[in-house]
Amino acid sequence: EAQVTQNPRYLITVTGKKLTVTCSQNMNHEYMSWYRQDPGLGLRQIYYSMNVEVTDKGDVPEGYKVSRKEKRNFPLILESPSPNQTSLYFCASSFIPPSTGGKYEQYFGPGTRLTVT
Amino acid sequence: DAKTTQPNSMESNEEEPVHLPCNHSTISGTDYIHWYRQLPSQGPEYVIHGLTSNVNNRMASLAIAEDRKSSTLILHRATLRDAAVYYCILRGGSEKLVFGKGTKLTVNP
Repeated sequence: EAQVTQNPRYLITVTGKKLTVTCSQNMNHEYMSWYRQDPGLGLRQIYYSMNVEVTDKGDVPEGYKVSRKEKRNFPLILESPSPNQTSLYFCASSFIPPSTGGKYEQYFGPGTRLTVT
Repeated sequence: DAKTTQPNSMESNEEEPVHLPCNHSTISGTDYIHWYRQLPSQGPEYVIHGLTSNVNNRMASLAIAEDRKSSTLILHRATLRDAAVYYCILRGGSEKLVFGKGTKLTVNP
């Protein structure tokens, strides 16, 4: 079954304790992305990757890191989490068309609810 | 990215058709019109997309105005499972999805 998986689904942690949220897709997609969702602010992009070893900042990258060493995996790293990073996080992936972008659907993971105290 | 305007909320009865409108008056010629939905406690889910012609798939239909300045997502027979927030998104030349506030659809039994 084609899917995007995220782990963990729920995480409660304390300020400053490094954590990693994993994201994996089994569809051989080039494009992967991380979003956070907050009440009243909607979904906002954190980082994205167009392919292996190619990553770039989205709209709200501060306090986050990512890596793309393999095509299927795109972990989100919080080196020193703070309470304002308490949020619902989604990973997404899609194919990248050879020409005009915007053509293919994105697949989203089930979400990771992070609480930083 | 061009902006879209959707009603904040809509209500429907089960097994009736639902027409969800979206205005996008600043759409450019290469922008695709995408619809996603987010069920409670789940990640967004692709529904349908189109460029100029009307589109149908197993989930819904997408009707695009001739001038492409508006579109309508049609759920032919709403079920309780269709209760969700529906997002209309324009995408052109970029893989990035820019989510607005969407339309919260309530389906009454």
